[in-house]
Amino acid sequence: GENVEQHPSTLSVQEGDSAVIKCTYSDSASNYFPWYKQELGKGPQLIIDIRSNVGEKKDQRIAVTLNKTAKHFSLHITETQPEDSAVYFCAAPRGGAGSYQLTFGKGTKLSVIP
Amino acid sequence: EAGVAQSPRYKIIEKRQSVAFWCNPISGHATLYWYQQILGQGPKLLIQFQNNGVVDDSQLPKDRFSAERLKGVDSTLKIQPAKLEDSAVYLCASSGSGGGDTQYFGPGTRLTVL
Repeated sequence: GENVEQHPSTLSVQEGDSAVIKCTYSDSASNYFPWYKQELGKGPQLIIDIRSNVGEKKDQRIAVTLNKTAKHFSLHITETQPEDSAVYFCAAPRGGAGSYQLTFGKGTKLSVIP
Repeated sequence: EAGVAQSPRYKIIEKRQSVAFWCNPISGHATLYWYQQILGQGPKLLIQFQNNGVVDDSQLPKDRFSAERLKGVDSTLKIQPAKLEDSAVYLCASSGSGGGDTQYFGPGTRLTVL
């Protein structure tokens, strides 16, 4: 099975600064790594994902990097805004390559201070 | 496009009682997942359906939890009898096929067991 570790558990940044959240995974066969944002009282929402054939993917202020050798991937949010405040979860496939039964990290509570 | 619908949104019961949750996935989505999210943790997969068949229920506590997806559309998750440790948010997600597609989450049902 997959083991996903996520750090830090809480993160406070000033508005406009960057935020970085890191995850490590254990199964070297895993090849799909999504990031979800969860606001209070809502279900998780996918914000970006990356597959193992690329090392980096960007979408406006959000980027994800993947290091398959070290088995870690990171979420980068630039020019943070108050509406970025939420809990962020990384995930990796529990059943290895070709599986999309996700194991989630424990989450990072991001607070953006105006 | 309508999202994943879940009901009820909140439920309070006493231990040893039974409870059922309902999920209606996004139209056309063949794969449906039930997750349990305990406060302060990431979602944990309980069961995955592909159409009306079970793909994986290895993490479902089968002595008290059951789930069905009749006709391959709506699904219900039941707990009988409930324990205090079952207090959590129960999330339903759906995706377009068995692998590689984004999982879209519903708003969840918050269960409190007293």
